Amino acid sequence: GAVVSQHPSRVICKSGTSVKIECRSLDFQATTMFWYRQFPKKSLMLMATSNEGSKATYEQGVEKDKFLINHASLTLSTLTVTSAHPEDSSFYICSARDQLGQQGNQPQHFGDGTRLSIL
Amino acid sequence: EDQVTQSPEALRLQEGESSSLNCSYTVSGLRGLFWYRQDPGKGPEFLFTLYSAGEEKEKERLKATLTKKESFLHITAPKPEDSATYLCAVQAIETSGSRLTFGEGTQLTVNP
Repeated sequence: GAVVSQHPSRVICKSGTSVKIECRSLDFQATTMFWYRQFPKKSLMLMATSNEGSKATYEQGVEKDKFLINHASLTLSTLTVTSAHPEDSSFYICSARDQLGQQGNQPQHFGDGTRLSIL
Repeated sequence: EDQVTQSPEALRLQEGESSSLNCSYTVSGLRGLFWYRQDPGKGPEFLFTLYSAGEEKEKERLKATLTKKESFLHITAPKPEDSATYLCAVQAIETSGSRLTFGEGTQLTVNP
């Protein structure tokens, strides 16, 4: 159980392109999903918390207009990197928690990430 | 501010050579401490959640323990397939939205 699917797994595109990444919880509903960025040999940096039916909460220093997050249903959140530039190249990972109807503190389950390369 | 420090950064073991990874944390009030395994090019895979000092959890060759200041991930008789980066994360009681603070991980290599 608790499977999170992320798509696409890899994107290579030209500078100035907007890229959309999808994160789906396959066998559970998630009122909250998280978006992380990971640099090589570094840990996960939380970018934003995606809340179903409301606006995302962004971490300090993360540009809201650059990284658009939509969480329109209990199983899908999307991250759109707008007008991407080479410095946006990174490994983006989403996670979700199966908290609805669950007892205790449920862990976050992660997707397999999206490798974004901007030329 | 919550802080998580993992050591060592990298660890090389021979197959069957047991060892421990350390996760030291500073948090105002701990809601939970989480261990994840991450393979190259993949997202983290959940291993354990620990809630209070003295708690222990086991899964195959892995055993996680927790004190008020740190957690250890003990690996007994590791195999090459245990090679991965192991991440530790904490969630504070007063944290809104269940956000986690991650350490930078320990890259484990187990040689056959």
